[in-house]
Amino acid sequence: EAQVTQNPRYLITVTGKKLTVTCSQNMNHEYMSWYRQDPGLGLRQIYYSMNVEVTDKGDVPEGYKVSRKEKRNFPLILESPSPNQTSLYFCASSPLGIGANEQFFGPGTRLTVL
Amino acid sequence: QKEVEQDPGPLSVPEGAIVSLNCTYSNSAFQYFMWYRQYSRKGPELLMYTYSSGNKEDGRFTAQVDKSSKYISLFIRDSQPSDSATYLCAMVGRNAGGTSYGKLTFGQGTILTVHP
Repeated sequence: EAQVTQNPRYLITVTGKKLTVTCSQNMNHEYMSWYRQDPGLGLRQIYYSMNVEVTDKGDVPEGYKVSRKEKRNFPLILESPSPNQTSLYFCASSPLGIGANEQFFGPGTRLTVL
Repeated sequence: QKEVEQDPGPLSVPEGAIVSLNCTYSNSAFQYFMWYRQYSRKGPELLMYTYSSGNKEDGRFTAQVDKSSKYISLFIRDSQPSDSATYLCAMVGRNAGGTSYGKLTFGQGTILTVHP
C-alpha cells in the first residue's frame, strides 16, 4: 500500500531531551516536507526537501533539523525540545515539486514537551 | 502581517447551501494555489490546485484565483454534511535563494459545518 508513515504517533518528552520523529514513504517521491499544526495557526512548513541531499527552510525552521540521505526517509530532529514545540506534526511527500502534484500526508505525530 | 490570511470561521450552513471560502495573500511571487480539506484527526488532502487567474471546476467545487487582487476562493455547491471539515488554502513560492519552488504557505484554515 502506497503510504507515508510517521513514528512515533504520540510522544511525551521533557525539555532538552533530544528526539527524532521518523518519516518514510514508499512511493519513490522526490519531494518531502515537514509541517506543524497549531490551533488558530493552520499548517506551517518547517523544512522541505526537493530531492536527496537537498533541503530548504520553510516558514518555521528554528529549533529543528532535518536530513535527506536517502529518498524514502526524511527524519525531523529536535536537538533540544522546548514546550513551544508542543504541536501536531505532519510529514508529506509528493512525486516531484508541489506545484501541480498532490502531496500525500502521513497520519501525524502528536508531540508534547513538558 | 501574515503572507496568507484566511478567515477561520467557524462557518455553519444548511445542507444544500453554496459555501464560499476565501484567502488573501501579500506575496506576489506565489505561483501555485491550492485548497486542502482536512477531516478531524486526519492529515490534509488536496482538493484542487490552480496556476493562473481564472476559474477551475471539479464537480461541486470551483476554485477561483484573482492574481491582480491577490485573492483566491473556493466555492462548494450543494453542500453536504460530508463536506464538514477544515478547509485550508495553500500557496507555493520560491525558496530563499530563488532557485526552486518548494516552499508552501498555508492559511489558518476555515472550519466548516454543514448541518442536515
